[in-house]
Parts: sequence; structure tokens; C-alpha cells
Amino acid sequence: QKEVEQDPGPLSVPEGAIVSLNCTYSNSAFQYFMWYRQYSRKGPELLMYTYSSGNKEDGRFTAQVDKSSKYISLFIRDSQPSDSATYLCAMSGGSNYKLTFGKGTLLTVNP
Amino acid sequence: GAVVSQHPSWVICKSGTSVKIECRSLDFQATTMFWYRQFPKQSLMLMATSNEGSKATYEQGVEKDKFLINHASLTLSTLTVTSAHPEDSSFYICSARDYGYTFGSGTRLTVV
Repeated sequence: QKEVEQDPGPLSVPEGAIVSLNCTYSNSAFQYFMWYRQYSRKGPELLMYTYSSGNKEDGRFTAQVDKSSKYISLFIRDSQPSDSATYLCAMSGGSNYKLTFGKGTLLTVNP
Repeated sequence: GAVVSQHPSWVICKSGTSVKIECRSLDFQATTMFWYRQFPKQSLMLMATSNEGSKATYEQGVEKDKFLINHASLTLSTLTVTSAHPEDSSFYICSARDYGYTFGSGTRLTVV
């Protein structure tokens, strides 16, 4: 079993739809959870950062962490064509500060 | 916000030559930098962790003598791909750690 599992998609939605992305993980030591957006041939950019369990909202984006289920989610409301990208979940824990990434989900928002 | 500059953004080199990629934290000091490799439609694979002033820690399966990492200052880390071969062609991305993790824009290496 991989440490972090993420459905690679691809996911195609119409403009304005609510998008739900998620990851599961197996390492109980993970405490820091992040979502990154990566456009083609670019480096990842941080969207959301959450420590431990709970919800966090930033504009159209909401991140949820359920440590009891080892499950994290990212919701995008009122999706826009400019949201079309690959979304990567990442997490870390312990003292080595290494990030473990999911495979990434390719999202296309159609006008 | 934190900015990480990575150069070059793309490079083509001949097989057998060496290529150096630079990663700079522009507005913060990064005690730890990470180097990743990404193949098309794949996730980021950590190659090594570098700490300023000490030797890099390589992930299992990554050749230390092939991928030389130098972290000589708190704002600069370099990755040198030595004796490059076509199978080294990939997208290389650095990340610098401050309070969070900021990524460079990546370097596309093509070895011909």
C-alpha cells in the first residue's frame, strides 16, 4: 500500500461546478496536510495548508482533514476554466520535514 | 510571500556532459532544500534533502555520484547532473523550506 493514494482522474467538469478532490493515507505520523496546484511544466503552488484535523476555507477553496479516517479533501466552489490544472495532495510529519505527495488529479473545467 | 527562483527553466545537453541547476530562495533563508524529479503525468519523487553546510541526504535508489547537490549558503542550492544520459531527461523541481514549502518553477532537462 502506498503511503498516499490519490485518484489521478482525469476529472472534467463544467464551469461553475463544485469539484471534490481527495486523498487517503496510511502513515499516522502525518500531521501537516497541503494541497498544491500545478500547471503544465510549472512548479507546484501552495493552495491550502492544514495542521491536524479540521476544516480550512480560503475563498472558493475548502480543505478538510479527517485524521481518524486518514482522509483529506479539497473542495473548489464555482469552478473556473483557470482552475484547470493538476492538483496534488502532500503531507508530512515527524522530524525529517519531507513531503509525501499523491499522484495528482488532472482537472479540466470546461467553459 | 516566499519566492524560490530556479534556473534554467529548460536545458538541452549532449549525452555525457554535465548540467547544473540552481535554486535560490529570494526573500528568506532556507535551512533545508529539497530536490524532486517528475516524469510526465507522474507525481513528484523526492531525490534528496539538502541542509546548508552539510552533505545531502539522498533517497533510496538515487545515485549520489550522478546527482551532486551543493547547499553552500542559506539561499542557494545546486543540483548537478553529471555525465547525463537520455534517461536522465525529466522535469527537476526544487523546494525550499521556511515556515512552509515553496517550490521553484522547475527545470526541463532534455539529454540528446
